[in-house]
Amino acid sequence: DAKTTQPTSMDCAEGRAANLPCNHSTISGNEYVYWYRQIHSQGPQYIIHGLKNNETNEMASLIITEDRKSSTLILPHATLRDTAVYYCIVRPGGGGTSYGKLTFGQGTILTVHP
Amino acid sequence: NAGVTQTPKFRVLKTGQSMTLLCAQDMNHEYMYWYRQDPGMGLRLIHYSVGEGTTAKGEVPDGYNVSRLKKQNFLLGLESAAPSQTSVYFCASRYYRGRSEAFFGQGTRLTVV
Repeated sequence: DAKTTQPTSMDCAEGRAANLPCNHSTISGNEYVYWYRQIHSQGPQYIIHGLKNNETNEMASLIITEDRKSSTLILPHATLRDTAVYYCIVRPGGGGTSYGKLTFGQGTILTVHP
Repeated sequence: NAGVTQTPKFRVLKTGQSMTLLCAQDMNHEYMYWYRQDPGMGLRLIHYSVGEGTTAKGEVPDGYNVSRLKKQNFLLGLESAAPSQTSVYFCASRYYRGRSEAFFGQGTRLTVV
């Protein structure tokens, strides 16, 4: 699986958009970008994933550059409850021999301030 | 719908003792995983299973054994606990098809003294 690089920490004001970057320059054609977050040592929670098109769901938006070497997770209106560690993970889509295994880095600690 | 349930939530063991952590999921998922998380670090995969009766090693399997006798349950065993196994353990499951998301349990905090 491709390696990802994320900033160690970021701050955001409540109500503003939080933009979390991720570099994955070695991503291959069949690999998807996944985002999970972990709130205060709870189990990680899935946020969103994408291949090459931008994606949006009720939680966030995912913007993937045209060359797919980087992406940005956007929380449009951050709240205090969005304070968490955010993990960007690259892995092949589908089952196959990867069997859906996730390789976690250290992630980005996002702190949302009042 | 309970999702993924881990038992117990907390446990303190003495060095050399054994124990079993239970993970149960009610979503009929084929794939199940055990991860450990040490302070300030991301999760690391211990063992995983792609179906009932199957198990495979992950990144850090030493000192652990697993079993998947029933599709809904995935057990993680520590045969002889060591202080280095002090960690928070997370179980996860997912559907085998497509790009489905993984669902995680709330974790088991294990301390070995």
